[in-house]
Amino acid sequence: DAGVIQSPRHEVTEMGQEVTLRCKPISGHDYLFWYRQTMMRGLELLIYFNNNVPIDDSGMPEDRFSAKMPNASFSTLKIQPSEPRDSAVYFCASSLATYEQYFGPGTRLTVT
Amino acid sequence: GENVEQHPSTLSVQEGDSAVIKCTYSDSASNYFPWYKQELGKGPQLIIDIRSNVGEKKDQRIAVTLNKTAKHFSLHITETQPEDSAVYFCAVRSGTYKYIFGTGTRLKVLA
Repeated sequence: DAGVIQSPRHEVTEMGQEVTLRCKPISGHDYLFWYRQTMMRGLELLIYFNNNVPIDDSGMPEDRFSAKMPNASFSTLKIQPSEPRDSAVYFCASSLATYEQYFGPGTRLTVT
Repeated sequence: GENVEQHPSTLSVQEGDSAVIKCTYSDSASNYFPWYKQELGKGPQLIIDIRSNVGEKKDQRIAVTLNKTAKHFSLHITETQPEDSAVYFCAVRSGTYKYIFGTGTRLKVLA
């Protein structure tokens, strides 16, 4: 298996623009997680899905953030409008049931 | 909510020596404790985990110990090698599905 796939790997955008991050989980996994990593706050869970349904989005920082999972093999995290403080590395992870989570390589987002 | 503390924040050891990283947590109901290794520019990689019904688990040079009474668990790396240099994160499964991560330990193995 190719593991969790994320795209793009790097994204540079200007403040106010819309940003869409993409994730393909490991085939057969039924949980998908979006995390954000910064030096100040470490690894934070933003939202997670079970069988394509959002279960807990309490970590989503603001209404500017939204996530969808239209099918078992694809999820998006959207930021609209983006702000400089959104600059971070965003990780997607997936798991089968609720134990081992496997992380993707991340998307490094820079908002100028 | 769950609180996870990880120490030390940085650790330098000579190649061949052992390294120990410790984490404490607050929620006595937590039942799953993974450790992740993150290399520069990559995502965290699961290296070992332990569940609350087990006190110790070993995989080659890596071991994890859990003390549920004291609410702490540790990662032990023996015979360290330069390729062990990375940032290590502990995590605690809080509630049913959420992980709470420690703040990370930057391990440097000196050749």
